[in-house]
Amino acid sequence: EAGVAQSPRYKIIEKRQSVAFWCNPISGHATLYWYQQILGQGPKLLIQFQNNGVVDDSQLPKDRFSAERLKGVDSTLKIQPAKLEDSAVYLCASSLEGGGGVNEQFFGPGTRLTVL
Amino acid sequence: AQKVTQAQTEISVVEKEDVTLDCVYETRDTTYYLFWYKQPPSGELVFLIRRNSFDEQNEISGRYSWNFQKSTSSFNFTITASQVVDSAVYFCALSGPWGSQGNLIFGKGTKLSVKP
Repeated sequence: EAGVAQSPRYKIIEKRQSVAFWCNPISGHATLYWYQQILGQGPKLLIQFQNNGVVDDSQLPKDRFSAERLKGVDSTLKIQPAKLEDSAVYLCASSLEGGGGVNEQFFGPGTRLTVL
Repeated sequence: AQKVTQAQTEISVVEKEDVTLDCVYETRDTTYYLFWYKQPPSGELVFLIRRNSFDEQNEISGRYSWNFQKSTSSFNFTITASQVVDSAVYFCALSGPWGSQGNLIFGKGTKLSVKP
């Protein structure tokens, strides 16, 4: 079974530029998450989708970050304009629905963003 | 508010030693889920275990074991006879019941170095 795919793996941009990340979850996983992981910290949720609807985006800096999940499969996360503090690894994860509980999330390899 | 504390920032052991990684959590939910993830140098988070709040049985999987104690709000992880391949950052995470989004609250992680 293929895992969560993300691209690009690395990206270096200047501040105030824009950048986009792509995620393809595990087939059949209805829930998709984007996390931000700053060096030395645990991942922090940015946004959660269930199918193509947003469940939680309370920690997404909406003045510069946006995300979409068209057709309930692939997702893109965009930053425009980027700031120095956005330098981090952006992780995508997906999970199955059902079972009456909270299922484990499977993570992609992440995109390491450096903002200069 | 939910919170996960991993007080040990870094641990260094010699191969074949046993090591315990501590995790203390805070939550007001009566139903919740606890997780451990491993993040090797490659960066991809690897799921290790999920435990719900109603199941306090300890679990053993090969060299790995987990001790869940609701009385002390702890979910500690022990590696027996550690190996160099166990070197990684280990994250403990907490989730509320399904219906509260189900996103993970991570601790800051414990970096384990196993030396030959």
